[in-house]
Amino acid sequence: AQRVTQPEKLLSVFKGAPVELKCNYSYSGSPELFWYVQYSRQRLQLLLRHISRESIKGFTADLNKGETSFHLKKPFAQEEDSAMYYCALRTANTDKLIFGTGTRLQVFP
Amino acid sequence: DAGVIQSPRHEVTEMGQEVTLRCKPISGHDYLFWYRQTMMRGLELLIYFNNNVPIDDSGMPEDRFSAKMPNASFSTLKIQPSEPRDSAVYFCASSPHGGLHEQYFGPGTRLTVT
Repeated sequence: AQRVTQPEKLLSVFKGAPVELKCNYSYSGSPELFWYVQYSRQRLQLLLRHISRESIKGFTADLNKGETSFHLKKPFAQEEDSAMYYCALRTANTDKLIFGTGTRLQVFP
Repeated sequence: DAGVIQSPRHEVTEMGQEVTLRCKPISGHDYLFWYRQTMMRGLELLIYFNNNVPIDDSGMPEDRFSAKMPNASFSTLKIQPSEPRDSAVYFCASSPHGGLHEQYFGPGTRLTVT
């Protein structure tokens, strides 16, 4: 069965430190992967999608099919990055997303 | 644009009562999704609609849950009878198309069943 695993429930770093939020998936076909973010008192929103190969708010994520991973990275964390981050997988021939359990990122000053 | 609208924002009810959650998607969006968020299981898709037709309800936990979309601007998620384990935040999201298009989420309804 298709599955998304985010092994860390909580990740705490200091401002300026590098951040890596881990995401692994299980799917035998060609995956489409996304990161969604929920800031405090805001709605869940799309951060980035792997197919766009873009950097948003300094975050990047590379799809590694060999390791079935899509880790989210930022070289220098900012306090405003504190939020809940969800990795999501879309499989072929479907419009639904399978979300991981989420990782809460706390960036301390 | 108010985005996806959900009501009520908070609901507290007693076990055994019927609960109805409501969602108004963004105008022009063809897809509507219902999710449930819990600490243990994260964000789970319950059901989604395309052009008001249910496409996949495999995530609906059991017969106590039902969802309808009578028209393009309104959907309901009903739980009857409710149980304490149904306590969660329920999100509605809409999307202009499926696939790679962004899903736009509502603010959620926090349901507490006592």
